[in-house]
Amino acid sequence: AQRVTQPEKLLSVFKGAPVELKCNYSYSGSPELFWYVQYSRQRLQLLLRHISRESIKGFTADLNKGETSFHLKKPFAQEEDSAMYYCALIGSNYKLTFGKGTLLTVNP
Amino acid sequence: KAGVTQTPRYLIKTRGQQVTLSCSPISGHRSVSWYQQTPGQGLQFLFEYFSETQRNKGNFPGRFSGRQFSNSRSEMNVSTLELGDSALYLCASSFLSVAGVAGELFFGEGSRLTVL
Repeated sequence: AQRVTQPEKLLSVFKGAPVELKCNYSYSGSPELFWYVQYSRQRLQLLLRHISRESIKGFTADLNKGETSFHLKKPFAQEEDSAMYYCALIGSNYKLTFGKGTLLTVNP
Repeated sequence: KAGVTQTPRYLIKTRGQQVTLSCSPISGHRSVSWYQQTPGQGLQFLFEYFSETQRNKGNFPGRFSGRQFSNSRSEMNVSTLELGDSALYLCASSFLSVAGVAGELFFGEGSRLTVL
């Protein structure tokens, strides 16, 4: 069975500090991994996906198959980054599995 | 272009009743998938429809069903409602199937169901 674990329900950092949201997955094959974000009073939306290797809003995420991780990182957090972040995986069964999310708060 | 539209936004039902939720995808999108969001379980995949065919189904009982029409609009139905069905039900659309490409899902605002 595929599983996505986000060990931190809450994460609080100060503006300008580095931030890392952890995501670990359990899957035997080669998954497709994503980060989705939900800002206050907005819809859930795609932040980035590992296959495109993009940097969106300063965020990057590297797939580490050895550690089965896909941590989301940003070197300098901004207040507008405060949101709920979900890590998600698609496996060979083509079902999208989400982690339970991490609420990031960036303090001024 | 208009985003994913879900109706109704809020509804209250009692145990044993049934409910139908509607989702209108972004124009041109043929895939519609449904998710249940609860504080305890987070986001859980219900099912996906692509070109009127159910492509995939999550681990939910048979009381949860859905369908997709030729215009790509989708409905999901929950029969014999239980208290535990109280949740935010999210619909997402994409141009290609979730199964076909690791693409972007566009989510609606959700339908919040309360079962009393």
